[in-house]
Amino acid sequence: GESVGLHLPTLSVQEGDNSIINCAYSNSASDYFIWYKQESGKGPQFIIDIRSNMDKRQGQRVTVLLNKTVKHLSLQIAATQPGDSAVYFCSSSGTYKYIFGTGTRLKVLA
Amino acid sequence: KAGVTQTPRYLIKTRGQQVTLSCSPISGHRSVSWYQQTPGQGLQFLFEYFSETQRNKGNFPGRFSGRQFSNSRSEMNVSTLELGDSALYLCASSLGHFNTGELFFGEGSRLTVL
Repeated sequence: GESVGLHLPTLSVQEGDNSIINCAYSNSASDYFIWYKQESGKGPQFIIDIRSNMDKRQGQRVTVLLNKTVKHLSLQIAATQPGDSAVYFCSSSGTYKYIFGTGTRLKVLA
Repeated sequence: KAGVTQTPRYLIKTRGQQVTLSCSPISGHRSVSWYQQTPGQGLQFLFEYFSETQRNKGNFPGRFSGRQFSNSRSEMNVSTLELGDSALYLCASSLGHFNTGELFFGEGSRLTVL
């Protein structure tokens, strides 16, 4: 079946460094991808999205890269801050529904 | 504007009971989708409602059901609760059909089944 997987369950980075969170998806027909951030006790929050006709999209301190050839996307966070500590997961548009990855927990070290 | 509101936030039930969870979407949003989130399985799609019609359903047993009212508010029901139903249940709303744009999530209803 369709799936989305994240490469690392936990990622620890030093405050001020850049973070890269990776995600792989299985459905080559997926044409829309979203990264979410989920803080403890809260619902997921939209960070950035990208459509399949693009390979890069930038937001404020975040960049999403999409490689359709290998069905991989990544989220880059520049100058990681303590407030970035959360679980991050990607989602891809599957057949009639979104498919979500299980999440990478980002820990920011002071 | 107000975000997605889910009630109750926390509840404890025992095996065999049933539970009803409520979701009020963002004003103007017509699509509501429901998800089950567990540490092992991540976020799994339950079903989506758009204009009071169930548009899609995930791979969950028939004990999981839902409905949407004319004001777009939605409820989901789980009957004959099992221990494995313990999870955070999230709903999300979107302006149009849900896989065409951003989803706005509520903070979830945490269900514990004893």
